[in-house]
Amino acid sequence: ETGVTQSPTHLIKTRGQQVTLRCSSQSGHNTVSWYQQALGQGPQFIFQYYREEENGRGNFPPRFSGLQFPNYSSELNVNALELDDSALYLCASSSPITQETQYFGPGTRLLVL
Amino acid sequence: GQQVMQIPQYQHVQEGEDFTTYCNSSTTLSNIQWYKQRPGGHPVFLIQLVKSGEVKKQKRLTFQFGEAKKNSSLHITATQTTDVGTYFCAVNYNQGGKLIFGQGTELSVKP
Repeated sequence: ETGVTQSPTHLIKTRGQQVTLRCSSQSGHNTVSWYQQALGQGPQFIFQYYREEENGRGNFPPRFSGLQFPNYSSELNVNALELDDSALYLCASSSPITQETQYFGPGTRLLVL
Repeated sequence: GQQVMQIPQYQHVQEGEDFTTYCNSSTTLSNIQWYKQRPGGHPVFLIQLVKSGEVKKQKRLTFQFGEAKKNSSLHITATQTTDVGTYFCAVNYNQGGKLIFGQGTELSVKP
């Protein structure tokens, strides 16, 4: 059984650019959630995808968007990057059986200059 | 809005000392989860509590859920250097939905 994987591990972008982050969920998990973790803070919920549909969204602007594919993998897209978007982006997957338990991937560290 | 307050923010202990972090909410919680994040790592699920007054143990770690389901604690007995990291409580407000994390307690252990 493979765990949650994310790519890339690190990324440097400049303000105004767009970025796509990728996540493969743990085997058997059909729900993927994305979180933003700024330095020294707890993770903040961005949104969740279930069966390829957005299933809940946190307090993030529309320039944060996502997709989920039939194999349950997911993408997080951020347009018009701002300096404050610099953070660790975490993907978490959960199974239909133990929905409340989420398993986190290693994250993508994004630096916006 | 939905919030969980976690204290203390930092805790520095000598190896062998005990450590406790507390999580509080103004509203009744359906569940509470605890995660550990090592420096440079990602949150790792430790445990979930759902019952009023529930107490669970994992080796040197003891987790409690308050009788009113508004607070929780994580206690580590006789800390070791491997316990270093940030401990987060988190609440799932919607079944299978978003997790609301506390601010975390960063534990450092001096050998």
